[in-house]
Amino acid sequence: DQQVKQNSPSLSVQEGRISILNCDYTNSMFDYFLWYKKYPAEGPTFLISISSIKDKNEDGRFTVFLNKSAKHLSLHIVPSQPGDSAVYFCAARSTGTASKLTFGTGTRLQVTL
Amino acid sequence: GAGVSQSPSNKVTEKGKDVELRCDPISGHTALYWYRQSLGQGLEFLIYFQGNSAPDKSGLPSDRFSAERTGGSVSTLTIQRTQQEDSAVYLCASSQGVGQASRGAGYTFGSGTRLTVV
Repeated sequence: DQQVKQNSPSLSVQEGRISILNCDYTNSMFDYFLWYKKYPAEGPTFLISISSIKDKNEDGRFTVFLNKSAKHLSLHIVPSQPGDSAVYFCAARSTGTASKLTFGTGTRLQVTL
Repeated sequence: GAGVSQSPSNKVTEKGKDVELRCDPISGHTALYWYRQSLGQGLEFLIYFQGNSAPDKSGLPSDRFSAERTGGSVSTLTIQRTQQEDSAVYLCASSQGVGQASRGAGYTFGSGTRLTVV
């Protein structure tokens, strides 16, 4: 039962353009959503999060949008840079489960020159 | 230390042997988590420690898996009688706690231990 789904295993974007990474979820008890970035041979690093009571959170080049009615969130990276090439994981935290996160399977982003 | 430290970084073991994986969390972080990532999969929750509370073991896949956290700091994940399906990257993470302010905060992950069972 995959509660957090990232249906695109990979995405290729030109440098300078917008990267849009998508994530769908099924559990309406999730109250926070987080994005992590992972380089090869390294652990995931936290990027940005959004509370379920908001629909947008922005941090520099990174913006996360949440559509609760569609149970969908997306991460926008503008402008994309070659250093953004990594695997991006969507994660969600459920009310009442302290700190446990449920992760998606990841999307590999390749930013080309 | 400044980050979450895991050892060893790589471990190759024969099927049926026991292995121990170690995690040193960030000093002062009260919460510690173990996840694993199998090939082509997302991060799978294994176990969670918070302070002196009983750990949440709900993600451990079988009774061959166990974990300890001594003195509220270092944690060891033990896999007994390893099987080939245990091959994965085992990731440890820590965070400051479980208060409301921390719910939007991410964990800090270590670089992981790549376990290969042959």
